[in-house]
Amino acid sequence: QLQLQESGSGLVKPSQTLSLTCAVSGGSISSGGYSWSWIRQPPGKGLEWIGYIYHSGSTYYNPSLKSRVTISVDRSKNQFSLKLSSVTAADTAVYYCAREGSMAVFDYWGQGTLVTVSS
Amino acid sequence: EIVMTQSPATLSVSPGERATLSCRASQSVSSNLAWYQQKPGQAPRLLIYGASTRATGIPARFSGSGSGTEFTLTISSLQSEDFAVYYCQQYNNWPPLYTFGQGTKLEIK
Repeated sequence: QLQLQESGSGLVKPSQTLSLTCAVSGGSISSGGYSWSWIRQPPGKGLEWIGYIYHSGSTYYNPSLKSRVTISVDRSKNQFSLKLSSVTAADTAVYYCAREGSMAVFDYWGQGTLVTVSS
Repeated sequence: EIVMTQSPATLSVSPGERATLSCRASQSVSSNLAWYQQKPGQAPRLLIYGASTRATGIPARFSGSGSGTEFTLTISSLQSEDFAVYYCQQYNNWPPLYTFGQGTKLEIK
């Protein structure tokens, strides 16, 4: 059974960089046909797709965040990462990692990690 | 960006009754529409993809319909575990720009 687990700093100061990692177990992140996404959810609000990295290493980002986002993969550790720079309070959210399966929908999710932006 | 609009924002239904949730896209997404269920403190769970195909392990009481810009999620006989927030999501763009609706909260009447 595929499992995803987010980790990283839960508190980030304004203007700094948010960094999160998603460890994948029960399957290889290099398996063809899948992409690996970050999605966030501000407290009490809806879901926003941040971007993904394809198994080949190609990345696609939400244009609203593109200038601040970097998603990368570490195949040796079977994990992928998110960096979001110049954060503000508006970036406070639960951040989820998820797999986009062969049907182009999010079929496996991590449990989510709350990141708070505050001084 | 394709904007997804869900209605109603909150739906109150009694256990055993049918619930009908709606999702509208600002432009056609063909059948590239998914539904997710989210319970408090949990990640979303995929219910439906391709507008009408149930994901693995999803009970038959969940059904999806629609295409183009109008979609419906129907839960035929509500169980206690079905009370949650439901989101629709389109995946019709290339390059990808996936967008979600704002959610419908299904609560016990």
